[in-house]
Amino acid sequence: DARVTQTPRHKVTEMGQEVTMRCQPILGHNTVFWYRQTMMQGLELLAYFRNRAPLDDSGMPKDRFSAEMPDATLATLKIQPSEPRDSAVYFCASGLSLSGTSGGTETQYFGPGTRLLVL
Amino acid sequence: QQPVQSPQAVILREGEDAVINCSSSKALYSVHWYRQKHGEAPVFLMILLKGGEQKGHDKISASFNEKKQQSSLYLTASQLSYSGTYFCGTGTLPGSARQLTFGSGTQLTVLP
Repeated sequence: DARVTQTPRHKVTEMGQEVTMRCQPILGHNTVFWYRQTMMQGLELLAYFRNRAPLDDSGMPKDRFSAEMPDATLATLKIQPSEPRDSAVYFCASGLSLSGTSGGTETQYFGPGTRLLVL
Repeated sequence: QQPVQSPQAVILREGEDAVINCSSSKALYSVHWYRQKHGEAPVFLMILLKGGEQKGHDKISASFNEKKQQSSLYLTASQLSYSGTYFCGTGTLPGSARQLTFGSGTQLTVLP
């Protein structure tokens, strides 16, 4: 049963500290998304990778957030320094995108999320 | 721009039917429906593609009106397990796993 995994599942930290969240996409998937979910804003796209290359990170505050894919099995989202307003659930999702304009999974599969609380 | 979902919330009794709507101001290629239970990740339900057929499995089905850029999710003879927040995600391009824009969700509560 292939699943997206995320670590940690919960994180409580103090303002100013660095936070790193990790995601392992489904094996064989080449597209990774990072979302943030809050009650007020709903699901917001932060960043989006295909074949490890960042395609869109316009939803991410650049001064404190960074997203990378060191290899095909690991995506990271880092916040430095963290602020209370960053408190949210961060989801990673993966999918399969094939060359051309169609094919693949056509949808995204979500991980269990990292619940972040910044005090 | 975010698709608009309606209603925002609905409460019904077990066995009753419900319809959730998703409307976009953009020309759509795909509509994706997800259900999220409290404290859990969104779970994929189904996808509708432009030019495709109405989808469904068990007592949950969906339609896609390409001309109106609208999709509707139909829950028939609802069960307690249907409770959760339903999101539509819309895509404007063909191709796999491209960017989706999610609606704000419809909270569905099924009572015994």
